[in-house]
Amino acid sequence: GAGVSQTPSNKVTEKGKYVELRCDPISGHTALYWYRQSLGQGPEFLIYFQGTGAADDSGLPNDRFFAVRPEGSVSTLKIQRTERGDSAVYLCASSRGGGRDETQYFGPGTRLLVL
Amino acid sequence: DQQVKQNSPSLSVQEGRISILNCDYTNSMFDYFLWYKKYPAEGPTFLISISSIKDKNEDGRFTVFLNKSAKHLSLHIVPSQPGDSAVYFCAAAYGGSQGNLIFGKGTKLSVKP
Repeated sequence: GAGVSQTPSNKVTEKGKYVELRCDPISGHTALYWYRQSLGQGPEFLIYFQGTGAADDSGLPNDRFFAVRPEGSVSTLKIQRTERGDSAVYLCASSRGGGRDETQYFGPGTRLLVL
Repeated sequence: DQQVKQNSPSLSVQEGRISILNCDYTNSMFDYFLWYKKYPAEGPTFLISISSIKDKNEDGRFTVFLNKSAKHLSLHIVPSQPGDSAVYFCAAAYGGSQGNLIFGKGTKLSVKP
């Protein structure tokens, strides 16, 4: 497809379980971002990839959160030992080259609910 | 501590009138500002941006004004249309940043026919 896609669209899990969220960026985009949007809040930055490497992971809340982008395209956000406070919409965005004046195109998000 | 603040959670405007959405920021290191629009169940969509070297940027019905001394920006939509009804997020980026954006909480705009 032409846009950023994210799977699954919804994920319900139990406290303590492990989840993986997938992002397919726009073809050719080298920069990929993950954000988290909690209820009533704006998106909050988690991690930024330039190619295969995590160039900035300063937004990851703790070491239960990890993300990879092994081939510089698809990215997976991994959350271990999920907690109820992890419930949120997880948004992925990509841009052509990174940098603040490159437009970020967002996917529809994965809505995660931890029971 | 919120660095980007949108103090109005909602705004209702009549079709054809002007919509003015406001945003304040606290960090003087921000030098690039953006507005995103979000419909339910969709990701945010880029609308318009402005660099801190400008005080105005216009794109069709959308104009963003930046007042650096007041650390304030606003988005004007003229004329407003029912299809503009959405949540509008203000975002900011630091000089030299790699693009990680700091967002406000959003303002829900309703444009009534």
